[in-house]
Amino acid sequence: DTGVSQNPRHKITKRGQNVTFRCDPISEHNRLYWYRQTLGQGPEFLTYFQNEAQLEKSRLLSDRFSAERPKGSFSTLEIQRTEQGDSAMYLCASSLREGLLFFGSGTQLSVL
Amino acid sequence: ILNVEQSPQSLHVQEGDSTNFTCSFPSSNFYALHWYRWETAKSPEALFVMTLNGDEKKKGRISATLNTKEGYSYLYIKGSQPEDSATYLCAFFQGGNKLVFGAGTILRVKS
Repeated sequence: DTGVSQNPRHKITKRGQNVTFRCDPISEHNRLYWYRQTLGQGPEFLTYFQNEAQLEKSRLLSDRFSAERPKGSFSTLEIQRTEQGDSAMYLCASSLREGLLFFGSGTQLSVL
Repeated sequence: ILNVEQSPQSLHVQEGDSTNFTCSFPSSNFYALHWYRWETAKSPEALFVMTLNGDEKKKGRISATLNTKEGYSYLYIKGSQPEDSATYLCAFFQGGNKLVFGAGTILRVKS
């Protein structure tokens, strides 16, 4: 399968724990985006990379969130000291330059 | 902060009805507008990318128009079918940077 892959599909954690999600984009895509989606809302922008460079990070994002894309391939999103408000679907998408985005299936995070 | 507004929030139509939704976006520094369809339990699926004022795109029974000067795009579905039921998202690309999504229009088509 050459689509965008996200792992894990579901994650349940206790408040205060750290979690890390992984995204493998389509191989020839140079852009990679992270979005968060909660019920009744559209995807909320978190951050994006062009190759290995993180070009923008949402001002709504606290310092507990960090993302990396070493070598411009896969990306990880880490949330430290999770809070119940972090519960959401975390979506990754990739694109070729400014073209259409191809999304992964998402990681559903539940913080208890 | 970019505001991308979509209306209506939700829509319930009968099979065979034609319908349309609106996406409003800032008209300054326009780069591109995207439309996506998001079915329950699936990933968002790309429909169109629109870049020029007056653009019209078509994919089967779905079409879209773009007015960059006044900052809106319409998505039309002709002869709605139950399988068209989904959330339709528009997303705005300002200056070729991040893509900002609207909240979506939820379409339910009854057979």
